Amino acid sequence: ILNVEQSPQSLHVQEGDSTNFTCSFPSSNFYALHWYRWETAKSPEALFVMTLNGDEKKKGRISATLNTKEGYSYLYIKGSQPEDSATYLCAYYGNNRLAFGKGNQVVVIP
Amino acid sequence: DTEVTQTPKHLVMGMTNKKSLKCEQHMGHRAMYWYKQKAKKPPELMFVYSYEKLSINESVPSRFSPECPNSSLLNLHLHALQPEDSALYLCASSQGPIGGTEAFFGQGTRLTVV
Repeated sequence: ILNVEQSPQSLHVQEGDSTNFTCSFPSSNFYALHWYRWETAKSPEALFVMTLNGDEKKKGRISATLNTKEGYSYLYIKGSQPEDSATYLCAYYGNNRLAFGKGNQVVVIP
Repeated sequence: DTEVTQTPKHLVMGMTNKKSLKCEQHMGHRAMYWYKQKAKKPPELMFVYSYEKLSINESVPSRFSPECPNSSLLNLHLHALQPEDSALYLCASSQGPIGGTEAFFGQGTRLTVV
């Protein structure tokens, strides 16, 4: 069983504030770490696929970092907007499996 | 076209019914997946098809039967399900093995077994 933990499970953020949350995963047999954004009534949508230790990726106001040695990734949202409200799923790929965490549910308050 | 289309969006079935979930993509992806998600839990992998062959079955009960008739289609045949099988069933596809490439997901089929 691949244990992928995300914290906090849910958070409310004031519009304009920045926020971040954590995904922790097994550091052994690491191949890739994925981040997805899942808005209500839509499909999960890929944000990042990260494979290298120390990698940093950015898409607009959202960025992610990866530490494969200690088994964690951070997702940052800068200047949160209401359209950022969604569940952010991280998924660890190792041993030929893509295993998901429970997600970080983000609500941005206007 | 970067869509994965799942039908139906909602399905209610009795425990003696036989039904099928369908998934379609036209991105030329050669890997397709079924995930199951129950409320407040992470999506759980059920099956992986690679080049139309079943490559991973995560010890799924035989009342779930996957089928990949061609590279664009993935079905999940359901028979004699239990109420605890009620969940959101997500289909996904990727260009190659899912590790290094992003997965594209459908919106899911919300299944209720009564």
